[in-house]
Amino acid sequence: KNQVEQSPQSLIILEGKNCTLQCNYTVSPFSNLRWYKQDTGRGPVSLTIMTFSENTKSNGRYTATLDADTKQSSLHITASQLSDSASYICVVRTNTGNQFYFGTGTSLTVIP
Amino acid sequence: SQTIHQWPATLVQPVGSPLSLECTVEGTSNPNLYWYRQAAGRGLQLLFYSVGIGQISSEVPQNLSASRPQDRQFILSSKKLLLSDSGFYLCAWSRLNRGNEQFFGPGTRLTVL
Repeated sequence: KNQVEQSPQSLIILEGKNCTLQCNYTVSPFSNLRWYKQDTGRGPVSLTIMTFSENTKSNGRYTATLDADTKQSSLHITASQLSDSASYICVVRTNTGNQFYFGTGTSLTVIP
Repeated sequence: SQTIHQWPATLVQPVGSPLSLECTVEGTSNPNLYWYRQAAGRGLQLLFYSVGIGQISSEVPQNLSASRPQDRQFILSSKKLLLSDSGFYLCAWSRLNRGNEQFFGPGTRLTVL
């Protein structure tokens, strides 16, 4: 069964600290994996996309990793800011058809 | 540049009333269009997607329906709302290629009382 699981479900960190969010998937055949940031009451916005051949990709203070063998991805946030408070959603796309599989997200709260 | 609009932003409706949510995309042609529902504490659930005018695929059986009367217009409807229809409804579009990144609208918060 194609699934995407994210952990932790929620996370509270101090401003300036780093954190890592996890995404494990069983989706097959794999096409790509995206991390989205969703501010409260808004639509998700793409942060990074990872394809099968990519291990690491950065977007400012966000760094995503992908291990296609173990089917795991992580999103590392460096020097967190209050504006990083949001839900982070992992989405995996299959190669067959127009199928996207969404994780339930990690709710991150950055406190001063 | 492309933009996606949804309205209304918030809606409070009584049980049994009809529903119509509208989504429009600007700046692109022949997009793939999607309707998602996000319940509190839950992930995004795909409701409908469309690859062209009049072409609608339903992902889950439910009380809702979708229509695409124009290339860049996607409408989510219901004849009689249920309490369980409450949630955050997101419209999204994607190009056929380019890794199929989905661009999401601002969402509609629906509360059914």
